[in-house]
This record gives sequence, C-alpha cells and structure tokens, in this order.
Amino acid sequence: AQSVTQLGSHVSVSEGALVLLRCNYSSSVPPYLFWYVQYPNQGLQLLLKYTSAATLVKGINGFEAEFKKSETSFHLTKPSAHMSDAAEYFCAVSRSSGSARQLTFGSGTQLTVLP
Amino acid sequence: GAGVSQSPSNKVTEKGKDVELRCDPISGHTALYWYRQSLGQGLEFLIYFQGNSAPDKSGLPSDRFSAERTGGSVSTLTIQRTQQEDSAVYLCASSQGLASADTQYFGPGTRLTVL
Repeated sequence: AQSVTQLGSHVSVSEGALVLLRCNYSSSVPPYLFWYVQYPNQGLQLLLKYTSAATLVKGINGFEAEFKKSETSFHLTKPSAHMSDAAEYFCAVSRSSGSARQLTFGSGTQLTVLP
Repeated sequence: GAGVSQSPSNKVTEKGKDVELRCDPISGHTALYWYRQSLGQGLEFLIYFQGNSAPDKSGLPSDRFSAERTGGSVSTLTIQRTQQEDSAVYLCASSQGLASADTQYFGPGTRLTVL
C-alpha cells in the first residue's frame, strides 16, 4: 500500500521568500514521486518527478525537490516565491514495480504568496 | 501539440439521471486514467486503461460507475443514477506508455454537480 502526507493544508509566504512544501510518503516498494501544481479551474501540471535517478530533482518554474529515503520525504522548495506561484500543490506517489500504475495523491497544499 | 481534452467542462444534472463524461487523450498515448477530485475525498483514482488490456477498475466507488475506451483512444466515464455525493471534478489523464514513471498529463476536468 502507498500513501502520501502533505503537512500544512495552507502555506503563506512573502514574495521573494523561500517556499517549502512538505511531503512524506509510505510505500511497500521503492516509490516514484511527483509534484503537481493546480491553478484555479485547471487540471494538474507536472512540476517535477523522482524516478530513482538523482535524488535532487529540478523542475519547472525554479522548483526543486530532494528525495530522502531515510526520512521518507520529498519536500518541494523554491528559493524565491513569485506571485504567480500561488496555486495548490499536490505530492503523489506511484509504485516502481507491480501492475498498478495509478498515482496516489496527498491532500494538497494551498500556497498563498503575499506582496 | 494538443493536450488532454475533456467535455463537457461543466455538467449539472438531477439526482437519479445518468451522465457521460468524455476524455480525448494526447495522440499516441497508450495509457488513460480517470481520477475524481472532491472536497471531502481529495484526488482519488477511479480506473486505468492500458492499450488493449483489461482495465484496472479497482478505484471505482460503486457499480453505478463504468468506463470504456473505444479504439484505444477516446474514453467515456458513465455514472448511472447519479447521487449528490457524485458531485466532484472528474479528471482524465494520459501517459505515453506502461511505465509508472511515465508522466501523466491531465485534462482540465469536468465539474459535475448533482442537484
């Protein structure tokens, strides 16, 4: 079984400040991990993914995430927040083996960027 | 190229009516997924199609829900005898192939409201 926990359903940061969105996972097999962003009334857009290559993954829009097996974490960071980063962010996990291909999502974190 | 498209974008129906939601995946993508996004349950997997294989229906919440994929392309999600708890945004995603590391590309969703 797999699960994802996102700590903090709402995060507020000032423009230019560090963004840190937390994600912890549980998986019975080595996981693949994803961060998606959802803007209002839109679908999900992939920010980045970890698929067992480099543990530090760089994505679009200046975001990056680090896979830490010992901490079962995959936190999302961005050094300097922009107003356009305001959106909902979802962490997701899938299995690296077996027949199941679907994503299991966390409950999401709504990011607000204050001017 | 064109992304995943879904229709209708919004659907309002009365309790007890049947509804059909349509998904057009990215051309050439062999895998297609349906997810549901609701306030109470977050993002949930419903069903997954891969090529000509039997679909993975493990996420369908009841036998009122069914889906088909014709010609390995367009998919229709059908909900019979709709209930108010079916109100949600239904998201479709497609991916290039079989690997669970493959990126899933999401459509904008269909917002279903059951009165």
